[in-house]
Formats: sequence, structure tokens, C-alpha cells
Amino acid sequence: EADIYQTPRYLVIGTGKKITLECSQTMGHDKMYWYQQDPGMELHLIHYSYGVNSTEKGDLSSESTVSRIRTEHFPLTLESARPSHTSQYLCASSRGARNSPLHFGNGTRLTVT
Amino acid sequence: TQLLEQSPQFLSIQEGENLTVYCNSSSVFSSLQWYRQEPGEGPVLLVTVVTGGEVKKLKRLTFQFGDARKDSSLHITAAQPGDTGLYLCAGSGGSYIPTFGRGTSLIVHP
Repeated sequence: EADIYQTPRYLVIGTGKKITLECSQTMGHDKMYWYQQDPGMELHLIHYSYGVNSTEKGDLSSESTVSRIRTEHFPLTLESARPSHTSQYLCASSRGARNSPLHFGNGTRLTVT
Repeated sequence: TQLLEQSPQFLSIQEGENLTVYCNSSSVFSSLQWYRQEPGEGPVLLVTVVTGGEVKKLKRLTFQFGDARKDSSLHITAAQPGDTGLYLCAGSGGSYIPTFGRGTSLIVHP
């Protein structure tokens, strides 16, 4: 059973469109993360949050933005999608304690044409 | 950025064989986690190791954390088709934000 939900699962859009990828968790976790995953490549951290009103950029330079207005919700927005944004986007959450494991959603597969 | 190198990148074996997957870094980690990811799903945690030299067993899977906490290995005994998947290691340093390796894609043929 999934306690962290991502929608949509698949999305095909045209260049220049604004999109929001949704992520919600029901576990009350403080920390939330967005990773980008491409075949044969490591998961790249693009954004993370320590809690409400906290957002930080990760290692991967990204044209996306995130918000954390509620504990359970951590949406990621692309203001103007480009073909280079085509990828798998994974959302995850974890407890605040160090070494806490990440719980992942099933991802959003984004294709920008 | 702490880099994690995983090897091999791909592994295709027959049911019943043993295998070892490696995760190496030049950085010291406070903890290291192993995840398995199946197609169309997110990674799922297998184990967390935190102490140098630590060995953990999960049925046919044995995980070891290096004495210097820079490397780890995953050994699978008598692999089964259900073990097929992408195995990812992730290390956490001072920031406790996990850094992932590229993964080892394992296929076990019946």
C-alpha cells in the first residue's frame, strides 16, 4: 500500500507549457524530496524540504520550483517545459531523524515534445 | 557532492547463482542504504547500515558496510527470478540528504 502518492503517472506535453507534478504523503513526514531519474544514471536531487515553508535546491541545476505550504504536500512546477525536461520524476519523504529511510512514490514519467 | 560508484552496472545470471554488487566512494558516510526498484515503481528500502564493519542479513541477501564507512557490498545467495530489479545504494553524510549511485540492474533468468 502506497503512503506517498504522485500524480499524474504519465504526462506528455508540448514545449513551453507550464506543468505541476503533484506529490502527497500521509505519514506526517517532515522531510520531502524530488529526484530526477534517467536510465543508467544516478538519481539526481533537484529539491528538498525540511518542513513547512522550507525549500532547498539540490545538486542538479533545475528550472523547476517547489512549495511546501502543508506538511503532506510538495508539488513541483515547471514554468516552461522543454524537451530536456523529459525524464522520470520521483518524490520521496522521510522522518526528520538522521538515517531515516526514504519512502518513494511511483514516479511521474514526463515527456516534453 | 559525494559520489557513489556502483558495479557492475548490469548483471544477467541464471537462477541459483550467487552474486555480489559493490558500492564505493572516496567519502565517508554516516549511513548507507540499499534500495530495490522494480519497473514502474519507486525504490523500496532493503536495509540501512550505520556502523563500520556492520553486516546485516535479510533472508538470502547479505549487506556489509566497510570498516572505513566508504563502501558497501550486497551479496545474494541462490538468486531467484523475484530478485530481478535495479539495486541502488545511497549514502548520507553530514547533511543527511541521501546521494544515490547509478544502480546495478539485475536480471535473474529461470
